[in-house]
Amino acid sequence: QKEVEQDPGPLSVPEGAIVSLNCTYSNSAFQYFMWYRQYSRKGPELLMYTYSSGNKEDGRFTAQVDKSSKYISLFIRDSQPSDSATYLCAMSDASGSARQLTFGSGTQLTVLP
Amino acid sequence: SQTIHQWPATLVQPVGSPLSLECTVEGTSNPNLYWYRQAAGRGLQLLFYSVGIGQISSEVPQNLSASRPQDRQFILSSKKLLLSDSGFYLCAWSVPPLTTGFGNTEAFFGQGTRLTVV
Repeated sequence: QKEVEQDPGPLSVPEGAIVSLNCTYSNSAFQYFMWYRQYSRKGPELLMYTYSSGNKEDGRFTAQVDKSSKYISLFIRDSQPSDSATYLCAMSDASGSARQLTFGSGTQLTVLP
Repeated sequence: SQTIHQWPATLVQPVGSPLSLECTVEGTSNPNLYWYRQAAGRGLQLLFYSVGIGQISSEVPQNLSASRPQDRQFILSSKKLLLSDSGFYLCAWSVPPLTTGFGNTEAFFGQGTRLTVV
């Protein structure tokens, strides 16, 4: 079993739709949770960063963490064609290890105009 | 502000040829540095990480090696490329945990190098 599971998609939605992207994980030591957006042929860029459980909102994006269920989500409201990209979840523990992040495999999203 | 530079953006190399990919970070000191490989439709595979000059940890035994000759310079190399080395290579940096007082922080990525071995 992978430490982080992410539905690879592809996911196609019409412009203006609400998008829900999800990851599950097995390591209960994970405390830091991130979402990256990666456009085609580009490096990933950090979109959202959360610590422990709860919600965090930034404009049209909301990151949600449920540590009891080992489940994290990214919601995109009023989706735009410019949101078309691959979204990667990532997480790490608090051990201080420099080994850094464990990534999901990414979900490819297309927002149709 | 911090920036990360990675080059070249694309590279086509014959099997058996050497490889050198370079990454530099500006605007920060003593960063943790990372090399990842991303296969099509798959996640990021950590290849090497470094916590300081000359300190390299390898995650996956393979045909590649890494070096950190300067604080903000990270190099990925190979003496003889294999077809299986083709992929998208990403350099990244993060702030060391001791600096932040917390656990690991987010990683910031370069724009990647698409390597095709023919």
